[in-house]
Amino acid sequence: QQQVKQSPQSLIVQKGGISIINCAYENTAFDYFPWYQQFPGKGPALLIAIRPDVSEKKEGRFTISFNKSAKQFSLHIMDSQPGDSATYFCAASLGQNFVFGPGTRLSVLP
Amino acid sequence: DAGVTQSPTHLIKTRGQQVTLRCSPISGHKSVSWYQQVLGQGPQFIFQYYEKEERGRGNFPDRFSARQFPNYSSELNVNALLLGDSALYLCASSLEASSLTYEQYFGPGTRLTVT
Repeated sequence: QQQVKQSPQSLIVQKGGISIINCAYENTAFDYFPWYQQFPGKGPALLIAIRPDVSEKKEGRFTISFNKSAKQFSLHIMDSQPGDSATYFCAASLGQNFVFGPGTRLSVLP
Repeated sequence: DAGVTQSPTHLIKTRGQQVTLRCSPISGHKSVSWYQQVLGQGPQFIFQYYEKEERGRGNFPDRFSARQFPNYSSELNVNALLLGDSALYLCASSLEASSLTYEQYFGPGTRLTVT
């Protein structure tokens, strides 16, 4: 019940395209859902986050869509750029205990 | 403003040895959490400390321990190292430990290699 599933494992997108990463969770007690971006050799950096009382949140080119009934949420990266090439992790938390998905390696081709 | 800092950056130890990793949170942040990230996987929660008290513990053996100091910095100790302990150890800080404030900010990590 503590697991967070994430797909796809890897994603290749052309510059200017839309990148979509999906996550699913089981524990309905989770009440905070962040996305992190991680570059090789660096720690994860908070990208955007949402709470379950909101169905969508947009910050610049990044949008989270949240479906509470389906227990799913997704990250959309609009106008993807080569600089977005990184590993993306979704997470779900209950308090300060964060459960992370296995990650999606995104490659944006120039 | 300085972010979360961790030391050392890299560490090589032998099986059976003990290791201490250090973390300084963002100024003003009182909560520190530790995560283990094995190559190719997401971070896994080890501990959370707030005001020098343990507030949460993940599914890790007793060989793992931690503490938080009055200045909110923290140490993670791992005894009797195993090859499987090789990983990137991440420290994350947040403002509070309450359910109202969730944002966690990660440091660059300490890369531990056990040979």
